[in-house]
Amino acid sequence: GNSVTQMEGPVTLSEEAFLTINCTYTATGYPSLFWYVQYPGEGLQLLLKATKADDKGSNKGFEATYRKETTSFHLEKGSVQVSDSAVYFCALSSKPPIIQGAQKLVFGQGTRLTINP
Amino acid sequence: GAGVSQSPSNKVTEKGKDVELRCDPISGHTALYWYRQSLGQGLEFLIYFQGNSAPDKSGLPSDRFSAERTGGSVSTLTIQRTQQEDSAVYLCASSPPGTYSYNEQFFGPGTRLTVL
Repeated sequence: GNSVTQMEGPVTLSEEAFLTINCTYTATGYPSLFWYVQYPGEGLQLLLKATKADDKGSNKGFEATYRKETTSFHLEKGSVQVSDSAVYFCALSSKPPIIQGAQKLVFGQGTRLTINP
Repeated sequence: GAGVSQSPSNKVTEKGKDVELRCDPISGHTALYWYRQSLGQGLEFLIYFQGNSAPDKSGLPSDRFSAERTGGSVSTLTIQRTQQEDSAVYLCASSPPGTYSYNEQFFGPGTRLTVL
């Protein structure tokens, strides 16, 4: 079945450090890939997405590239801020975007990120 | 505009009791999803409703779990004869209609269920 594996946390960095959170997946067909973020006390929200191989999703300085050859979708940011402290979830949808309808998500375990000033 | 709302925000119950969790999706969203977030299992899909189609119940862990969506809007997740392993945060999400594109899922704040 479909699955997502992401690096275990917690991850603690200093402000302005470079961030990488690894994510690999197992899926049949052509999944869409996502990063969701859960800030303290808030609901889960979409950070970025990529729907086909070699696509790069980006938002708020975060980037992730859909690598089909390595089945990966690693999250990166060049200079993190204290406000980036949150739990990050990598996820996939096995239904490609060309097919209409609801798309259930398969999530990784989540990585808690803490940025110290 | 208003986001996805869930009630109650917290629920403590005794083992063996039934509980009902409510989700109000964003107005106009046709798809509604339930997920469960627990320490042992991470974030897992439970069920979704898409318009008038039959719901996808493939993620429900046992027949003690059921959900309904009335009038294409509000949804209720019911857990019968609760067990301690049902303790988790239950998340609801909704997404707008659309074709040939990914429809972003908007999540509610969740209901934290504790079974004593």
